[in-house]
Amino acid sequence: GESVGLHLPTLSVQEGDNSIINCAYSNSASDYFIWYKQESGKGPQFIIDIRSNMDKRQGQRVTVLLNKTVKHLSLQIAATQPGDSAVYFCPPCSSNTGKLIFGQGTTLQVKP
Amino acid sequence: DVKVTQSSRYLVKRTGEKVFLECVQDMDHENMFWYRQDPGLGLRLIYFSYDVKMKEKGDIPEGYSVSREKKERFSLILESASTNQTSMYLCASSSILGRVGSYEQYFGPGTRLTVT
Repeated sequence: GESVGLHLPTLSVQEGDNSIINCAYSNSASDYFIWYKQESGKGPQFIIDIRSNMDKRQGQRVTVLLNKTVKHLSLQIAATQPGDSAVYFCPPCSSNTGKLIFGQGTTLQVKP
Repeated sequence: DVKVTQSSRYLVKRTGEKVFLECVQDMDHENMFWYRQDPGLGLRLIYFSYDVKMKEKGDIPEGYSVSREKKERFSLILESASTNQTSMYLCASSSILGRVGSYEQYFGPGTRLTVT
């Protein structure tokens, strides 16, 4: 079945630096990916999404890169701020059911 | 502003009690989901529903049931609560596949359930 893994459980960066959070997936049929951010005590919130026919998508201070050849995607956060401290998930989506398959997430810690 | 609400933020129940967790969305979404979140295990899907009165088992349905009598409301039921069901429970909703070009799920704030 589908599985998803994030490369590091915890990532620590200095405020103002750029952050890169990596994610791998196993099912080559996955055609849609969403990055979620979950702050302490809250439910996950949508950050940005990307379809499999794209290899890059940019939002406000965030960029997602998708490499289908190696089944890898990354979330880049520019000029990381304390408010970016959260757990980040990259669940691939089953286009048949709309189900998201969550892994454990990567905890981003921003040092002042 | 889209919204998914859950009936309680914190809940404490005793072993063996029947527990109802309620979720309401105001976005006219067809799909609704229940997850539990535990340290080191991420979010795991318990049940989901594509439409009123329809339900599908997720990855960990044992010990749970659901009810969807109205489109906007999806209830999770613990028939006889046990201590291993102590967890954070998250509800989510999404629009029908592809209709708005996104599979984004909108999440509620979560209910932290403690079973003693």
